[in-house]
Amino acid sequence: EAGVTQFPSHSVIEKGQTVTLRCDPISGHDNLYWYRRVMGKEIKFLLHFVKESKQDESGMPNNRFLAERTGGTYSTLKVQPAELEDSGVYFCASSQDPRPNTEAFFGQGTRLTVV
Amino acid sequence: GDSVTQMEGPVTLSEEAFLTINCTYTATGYPSLFWYVQYPGEGLQLLLKATKADDKGSNKGFEATYRKETTSFHLEKGSVQVSDSAVYFCALTSRTGGSYIPTFGRGTSLIVHP
Repeated sequence: EAGVTQFPSHSVIEKGQTVTLRCDPISGHDNLYWYRRVMGKEIKFLLHFVKESKQDESGMPNNRFLAERTGGTYSTLKVQPAELEDSGVYFCASSQDPRPNTEAFFGQGTRLTVV
Repeated sequence: GDSVTQMEGPVTLSEEAFLTINCTYTATGYPSLFWYVQYPGEGLQLLLKATKADDKGSNKGFEATYRKETTSFHLEKGSVQVSDSAVYFCALTSRTGGSYIPTFGRGTSLIVHP
């Protein structure tokens, strides 16, 4: 069974450009989460999808970030326009069950560098 | 809101040394507690978990006990190996606004020397 996959693994863009990150969750997992980790700091929650619906987007930093989940399958996270402080590692995770003791399965992350 | 505090890293040990990585939390309600590990070049993966007070999670020689009275979930291993070198994240999941969102600490880097 394929795990959570993220693309690209690395991205270097200039300030003001647009970048789109993609996440393919484990098949059948209704819950999809996006997180971001800035170097040396905690992994911060961005948003949570249940199927194609945004359940919680309280962690999205501002309106330069737009997340979508087409048909409840893969998800994209677009940053437009990118700023220097957007640099970090963006993780996607999925889980089958929304209960609190359920493990979340993570992708390897996308390292975004804005220069 | 919910939060997780981990000890600062990096933690540098020699092979076969005893490991403790401290983790404390604040949460509304009754959280489940987790340790995740990230090996170099890989995503996070679940190491162990505990879902109620006094539960002990264990895996690969690592252990952590859910201590409600001290709001702690410290990770321990009796004898570390070079292959344990990784970043370790303490996390909790509790109900927030109608959904269960995993909340993570900042991670503790472990470096084990031969």
